Amino acid sequence: ETGVTQTPRHLVMGMTNKKSLKCEQHLGHNAMYWYKQSAKKPLELMFVYSLEERVENNSVPSRFSPECPNSSHLFLHLHTLQPEDSALYLCASKTYRGNTEAFFGQGTRLTVV
Amino acid sequence: QQQVKQSPQSLIVQKGGIPIINCAYENTAFDYFPWYQQFPGKGPALLIAIRPDVSEKKEGRFTISFNKSAKQFSLHIMDSQPGDSATYFCAANLYALNFGKGTSLLVTP
Repeated sequence: ETGVTQTPRHLVMGMTNKKSLKCEQHLGHNAMYWYKQSAKKPLELMFVYSLEERVENNSVPSRFSPECPNSSHLFLHLHTLQPEDSALYLCASKTYRGNTEAFFGQGTRLTVV
Repeated sequence: QQQVKQSPQSLIVQKGGIPIINCAYENTAFDYFPWYQQFPGKGPALLIAIRPDVSEKKEGRFTISFNKSAKQFSLHIMDSQPGDSATYFCAANLYALNFGKGTSLLVTP
C-alpha cells in the first residue's frame, strides 16, 4: 500500500457511457495528479491540482473532466470516450513544488469498447 | 515534447549482471531525479532518487550516477536478480514528474 487508493481497479465502458475514476490519499500532500499510461507511450501527465485548484492541463480532450473537491480526493469524469482512450490511469500525490517523492496508486485499467 | 529521454527501451541481462539505464534532460530547472520501478498490474513505486547537488547515490544494489554538466543520469543495478525484472522509469521534477519512456528489464536465471 502506497497510501494512494484508486477505484475501480478495472473499468469497461462503452463510448456513450459516463463514468468516474476516484483517487484518495491521506498522506498530507497538497498536490494530486492524473497520469495516463498507454502501451507504447510514456507516463503522460494529464492534470495537476494544487490546493484543490487545477494548475495544469496538458491539452487533454474535454471528454476527460477532473474534479478535486478537497486535498484528499481527486476524480476523473469520463464521457463519450474513444477506443484509443483505453489505458491505465494513474493517480499520484506529492508535495507541490517539493523535490520529494510522488506516491502512485495502483491505477484503473480502462477499456473503452 | 519529451522532456526526459531514456534508453535503452529494453534490456536483457543474466543473473549477477549489471544493467545500466540512461536518461538525459534539457530543463536545468529540474530539482529532483527519481527512478521508479513498475511491476505488471501495479503502479510505479519509488526505487531511488537524487538531487542535482549530488553526483552519486547508492541504496543497496541500486546506484544513481548524476552528471549535472552533461544533464544526464543513470541507474546501475548491481548483482541483478530475476526479481528485478520490471519496467524502470526515470523522471525529472519541477512541480510534477516528467517521465522517460521506460526500460523493460529482464534478468534471466
